[in-house]
Amino acid sequence: LAKTTQPISMDSYEGQEVNITCSHNNIATNDYITWYQQFPSQGPRFIIQGYKTKVTNEVASLFIPADRKSSTLSLPRVSLSDTAVYYCLYFSSGTYKYIFGTGTRLKVLA
Amino acid sequence: GAVVSQHPSWVICKSGTSVKIECRSLDFQATTMFWYRQFPKQSLMLMATSNEGSKATYEQGVEKDKFLINHASLTLSTLTVTSAHPEDSSFYICSATPGDLSTDTQYFGPGTRLTVL
Repeated sequence: LAKTTQPISMDSYEGQEVNITCSHNNIATNDYITWYQQFPSQGPRFIIQGYKTKVTNEVASLFIPADRKSSTLSLPRVSLSDTAVYYCLYFSSGTYKYIFGTGTRLKVLA
Repeated sequence: GAVVSQHPSWVICKSGTSVKIECRSLDFQATTMFWYRQFPKQSLMLMATSNEGSKATYEQGVEKDKFLINHASLTLSTLTVTSAHPEDSSFYICSATPGDLSTDTQYFGPGTRLTVL
């Protein structure tokens, strides 16, 4: 069964680095992993996407081990405005749909 | 980057009426669009896959006669909630991908808040 698993919630303080890990044991060889951020009453917003090893952009880094059964989103120096729900997902070529997890509710404290 | 819009952003209607929600890809063409609904503090739940020029594919448990989907062009998909009832109140979100679904980024619309009185 294709699915992703993430921690339900995390707390952090401003200025800290936050790492959120997602497991996706049944990901297929060609499926890319994508992370999104969602604020209340808004659609999810793209953060970063990767296939393997490490990807970095201006807002985050994504670490994917060689077996690709998990991935870790790293947010450097979070601020209060990073309080949101973070989802990892991938497109399952087997079921032809995006596989969502439950999301991780990140709360950044002052 | 690619932009997906939805209209309206919110709607309030009386029970028994029908509501149409539009999803548009503004700067790219999308052969496939997806419709989700989201209840408070829950993840997105896929309702259906909207295919341009053909019938939508509905997820198990989603009534196709109640949630009518039309994908008339490569930039527009519509979701019509027919004979809406209070239990249909939810946040509806669409998404689209410019290219290959497995490798290209999926872009989400801003969502539509439906409240049925």
